[in-house]
Amino acid sequence: AQKVTQAQTEISVVEKEDVTLDCVYETRDTTYYLFWYKQPPSGELVFLIRRNSFDEQNEISGRYSWNFQKSTSSFNFTITASQVVDSAVYFCALSEGGTSYDKVIFGPGTSLSVIP
Amino acid sequence: DAGITQSPRHKVTETGTPVTLRCHQTENHRYMYWYRQDPGHGLRLIHYSYGVKDTDKGEVSDGYSVSRSKTEDFLLTLESATSSQTSVYFCAISDGTQRSNQPQHFGDGTRLSIL
Repeated sequence: AQKVTQAQTEISVVEKEDVTLDCVYETRDTTYYLFWYKQPPSGELVFLIRRNSFDEQNEISGRYSWNFQKSTSSFNFTITASQVVDSAVYFCALSEGGTSYDKVIFGPGTSLSVIP
Repeated sequence: DAGITQSPRHKVTETGTPVTLRCHQTENHRYMYWYRQDPGHGLRLIHYSYGVKDTDKGEVSDGYSVSRSKTEDFLLTLESATSSQTSVYFCAISDGTQRSNQPQHFGDGTRLSIL
């Protein structure tokens, strides 16, 4: 069965600090996809990244970076030099390959507060 | 931004009344989904559709029904609303033309309160 765990319910950091959001997943499939979404206080859900299970390369996009480690079933998200605009709820999600539709299982989310 | 419109954006209603939420897309995407978001649970799938008149249940489908008579519209109906269905409801779409699990893109949500 699929499962996504985000053990950090809430995190507070001071602006310019680095912060890492943890995501641990469970799946029996060898082909799967991992996602991160951001939900700012305004409420919309914004897609950030998709990673497939065959690509363990870390990815960097500006201040955002993602560390995918199959050995520990983790897909962690780091924000470098955090800013107030990074305050949001972040969701990690998992989709197993081979399904007939793009079913996605979401973690419970981590609420990040960046304090000026 | 993906062309997804949810209506209404906010609704307050009474227990026992029927409620219909609408999701309209302009992307011609095959797959459409309804989720509910509740504190501590993230997003949970209610129903999804993989084509016109093709729908199936998600993990929390009890008390909900859906219909998709056109590619662009996906309706979620609460036949007899209960207070436990107070939530924020999100519609999502995805392309699904490749077996590569495309990311879902979400509407802005509908905040539903049942008194």
